Amino acid sequence: SQTIHQWPATLVQPVGSPLSLECTVEGTSNPNLYWYRQAAGRGLQLLFYSVGIGQISSEVPQNLSASRPQDRQFILSSKKLLLSDSGFYLCAWSVHGHSNTEAFFGQGTRLTVV
Amino acid sequence: KQEVTQIPAALSVPEGENLVLNCSFTDSAIYNLQWFRQDPGKGLTSLLLIQSSQREQTSGRLNASLDKSSGRSTLYIAASQPGDSATYLCAVSGWASGGSYIPTFGRGTSLIVHP
Repeated sequence: SQTIHQWPATLVQPVGSPLSLECTVEGTSNPNLYWYRQAAGRGLQLLFYSVGIGQISSEVPQNLSASRPQDRQFILSSKKLLLSDSGFYLCAWSVHGHSNTEAFFGQGTRLTVV
Repeated sequence: KQEVTQIPAALSVPEGENLVLNCSFTDSAIYNLQWFRQDPGKGLTSLLLIQSSQREQTSGRLNASLDKSSGRSTLYIAASQPGDSATYLCAVSGWASGGSYIPTFGRGTSLIVHP
């Protein structure tokens, strides 16, 4: 069966520090991968998605970047965090090329920038 | 741009009631609709997936319907229990120019079922 892992679960970082959040998927190959952010009182905002290694699409201009160095690994990064980067970050995957498949989510990372 | 709205934003009911959660979307060119549950501080758990060609899906006490042409979906929860307390999120998937189906979410309905 397929599983998705995100780490760390919680993170407190000072303003201006770098960020690296990692997401890995097991039990499938060539998945579509997604990063979402959920800010307090707001819905889930799509940040990045990827249909393959090295292929990243950005939905919202921001202080963050994403990379996909391996087929089942998706990394969210920042060189210098801002207070506004605080939020709950969720990674998700779905089967590539299929329109009628579910999206599956990780357990999320709670990021607090202080 | 797809917009998803969920009504009500919050709901507090006594145990045993049958519930209706609503989801509407502006662009009917969707490929599927998915209902999720989110417990506080946790990730999303998929409850039901309705393909664009389907009208409804059922799982246990949950039943979700889809009217694609009118841009609406409804999640029915029968005989609600305190364990149903959570935030319920609706997401519709459409095609993105980057070559992927992208789920777009509503803000959710926060449900509290009290004993």
